[in-house]
Parts: sequence; C-alpha cells; structure tokens
Amino acid sequence: DVKVTQSSRYLVKRTGEKVFLECVQDMDHENMFWYRQDPGLGLRLIYFSYDVKMKEKGDIPEGYSVSREKKERFSLILESASTNQTSMYLCASAMGYAEAFFGQGTRLTVV
Amino acid sequence: QKEVEQNSGPLSVPEGAIASLNCTYSDRGSQSFFWYRQYSGKSPELIMSIYSNGDKEDGRFTAQLNKASQYVSLLIRDSQPSDSATYLCAVNSNFGNEKLTFGTGTRLTIIP
Repeated sequence: DVKVTQSSRYLVKRTGEKVFLECVQDMDHENMFWYRQDPGLGLRLIYFSYDVKMKEKGDIPEGYSVSREKKERFSLILESASTNQTSMYLCASAMGYAEAFFGQGTRLTVV
Repeated sequence: QKEVEQNSGPLSVPEGAIASLNCTYSDRGSQSFFWYRQYSGKSPELIMSIYSNGDKEDGRFTAQLNKASQYVSLLIRDSQPSDSATYLCAVNSNFGNEKLTFGTGTRLTIIP
C-alpha cells in the first residue's frame, strides 16, 4: 500500500513564525502536491513538484515556498505565518497521470 | 471559468436510491479523471478513476466520462448511509506537467 506521511497532525504556531510542514511518500512517486482545504473552497493547489528540485506554482502560492531535495520528501514552508494561513494542509503523491494518494493532513492554527 | 466545477449541493438522496454527482472541466487536453470521497475530518480517498470515454463500473459505483462535452459523473446505486460524505472530482490537467486540480466538492447525505 502507498503510504504518505505528514509530520504533524495538529500544529499551533504564532504569527510571524517560519513553519515547516513535511511530507514523505514511500512509493517512488514522481509527483507530489501540497493543497490547503478550507470550508466551501475545496482543495486548492499551493505547489506541486514533478521531480527532485523541480516545482511548479499552483493556484495559491503566495506566502508559501516548497523544497524537494529528495524524491520521497516534499516540504511546504510558510515563510512568515499569518492568521489567514490557518487551514487544513494536505500532501499527496502520484505517479504520472495516475491517482494521487493523500497523507492524513495537518491542521495548522496560526495565532 | 474554474478549471473543475461540481454541482455545489448539498445533495440529499433516500437510502436505496441512485445518487448522481456531476463535474465539468475546462482543459480539453486533460487525460485522467478521479472521484474521491472525503468523510468529515479525514483525508480524501480514491473511489474511482477513469481515463477513456464511456462508463466504468466498480460495485455500486459507476463513473462516466464524456471528453467531447468535458463532463464526468459518478453514480452511486443502492445508496447507503455510509455513502454520506463529500465527493471531490479531480482532473489531471495537461499543462505539460501532471497538475491535479480538484473541484470544490459536493456534500451528499443519504437519508435512511
């Protein structure tokens, strides 16, 4: 079974902090994605990566950056956390055009 | 125009009836199409994938794809209370890389 693991289930951070969300997959998938999910807005793509060190902006990249130094790991970075970044963050991985598998999600609260 | 649009719902269906969920997409070059189910507080889980025009059946679920109309649907037969969830349509866009875009989801409630 594919396993996608996010480093934290719940996280509380202060405004202005630099926040790292980590995601690891164990299936050698090329593609990895970071989404945020807010009520009524569905899953919105922040960034995705199709190879090591390669990244593409999604629909809402502002205030975020990403890092993919190894194929299995994709990190989302909030450079200076703000209260409007309070959300559920979901990581996913996929091989090519095939289905994506999700991690358990990280519920981030910025206070 | 949004890349992936779903009927917003919420949708209520009596137990045992057929639930019909619809999705349209804007990129004609899209190659793969997925339906995910998400229970409250949980991550999305894949229930159907479809890659070519026509119908694909898996148990009580049938996915239908019409690329000419840029339309994907999901039918759930003999709906059960356990089918109550939010259903997300996802499309793998053909923008050179495999960008996976989701609709906003349709909340389905099965009424016993």
